[in-house]
Amino acid sequence: SQQGEEDPQALSIQEGENATMNCSYKTSINNLQWYRQNSGRGLVHLILIRSNEREKHSGRLRVTLDTSKKSSSLLITASRAADTASYFCATDMSGSEKLVFGKGTKLTVNP
Amino acid sequence: EADIYQTPRYLVIGTGKKITLECSQTMGHDKMYWYQQDPGMELHLIHYSYGVNSTEKGDLSSESTVSRIRTEHFPLTLESARPSHTSQYLCASSSTLLRVYNSPLHFGNGTRLTVT
Repeated sequence: SQQGEEDPQALSIQEGENATMNCSYKTSINNLQWYRQNSGRGLVHLILIRSNEREKHSGRLRVTLDTSKKSSSLLITASRAADTASYFCATDMSGSEKLVFGKGTKLTVNP
Repeated sequence: EADIYQTPRYLVIGTGKKITLECSQTMGHDKMYWYQQDPGMELHLIHYSYGVNSTEKGDLSSESTVSRIRTEHFPLTLESARPSHTSQYLCASSSTLLRVYNSPLHFGNGTRLTVT
């Protein structure tokens, strides 16, 4: 059973534009994490937001969490070609120590 | 950038062969995981370990087995490979020392397995 689901599945933008990806989940969580995966590589952790937090920033990344809507968004500002990758949200379920990943959003940033 | 190493990077093998995918980490993490990922798809947890001599099956049923004899080493074995095992296998680790529920995972670069 899939816990997190990203939207859109694919996103293509021009360099300099902002990219927004969304993640919805089904059950209550302890925290939500976002990861990036470059083609053919492993995942790299970007940011973790706890269930009692509403917003978090890291460099050009901004993550929001709305537990009432069971959703999160990842905003990448002033995108660069190097941001081209797939982005995954990962959630746990309260009481579980296992992370469940969504299918990801494939972001293409055109130079 | 990874302190978690997977070998081989690519493996093409015939049906029926026994294979072992290696995973080692140098961070002293107690938790380790194996995920299976088909191209463009989500990751599925197939095995995890919370420490030496601890192994559990994940959410996706897998014919593979794992062992955790040393903290840093978490190999995955397929006794008899089949074409349905063709996929990418990702190893990850995390630490409980950060006192964060489900602390961030550190991933290796994966092993892309093709069974012909």
